[in-house]
Amino acid sequence: GAVVSQHPSWVICKSGTSVKIECRSLDFQATTMFWYRQFPKQSLMLMATSNEGSKATYEQGVEKDKFLINHASLTLSTLTVTSAHPEDSSFYICSAREPGEKENTEAFFGQGTRLTVV
Amino acid sequence: GQSLEQPSEVTAVEGAIVQINCTYQTSGFYGLSWYQQHDGGAPTFLSYNALDGLEETGRFSSFLSRSDSYGYLLLQELQMKDSASYFCAVKSFQKLVFGTGTRLLVSP
Repeated sequence: GAVVSQHPSWVICKSGTSVKIECRSLDFQATTMFWYRQFPKQSLMLMATSNEGSKATYEQGVEKDKFLINHASLTLSTLTVTSAHPEDSSFYICSAREPGEKENTEAFFGQGTRLTVV
Repeated sequence: GQSLEQPSEVTAVEGAIVQINCTYQTSGFYGLSWYQQHDGGAPTFLSYNALDGLEETGRFSSFLSRSDSYGYLLLQELQMKDSASYFCAVKSFQKLVFGTGTRLLVSP
């Protein structure tokens, strides 16, 4: 299947600093990628839809000025958590679907990034 | 709003069969998927139903009834490695919306 790579797998940062997370589709082009956040023992909550060459679409309640998304190429989307606070500590996961027949069926996920803000 | 409800936890023993249910209420429906997620890992795709009926993939089967907004994942011949969280998910327009998740604990 298609491969989505996410980096870093974990990061610890100080309160008030910014952290950038990268999501790459390695063997296909993804015009759309998705960013999720998952708190311990909870479900994946969609934060935003990242669109190549245009602005991201944010879900209700997600601050777009705090979670900056850039999708500058067909294989790379980045999520920047700005002015991070301890409550932003979570597991962030990106996802993409391979264009074509499988687009409606299977989504591929990055390995996830465990963010801890101290 | 959109909601996908699952039981929070299911326990079973090795070799048994377990069924994880999912009832959904979404705007726009393009099919029901199932994903497995081990602690600290990424979700991995298990199965997909676009039409009513049963889909079988090895030890895993998935069922969908669109008229009842209901589906289930059936896991047979349970193994210890099946201990994980399982999520149903609905493709609603462009988005993939996940269920509340079911933690499956398999004991010897």
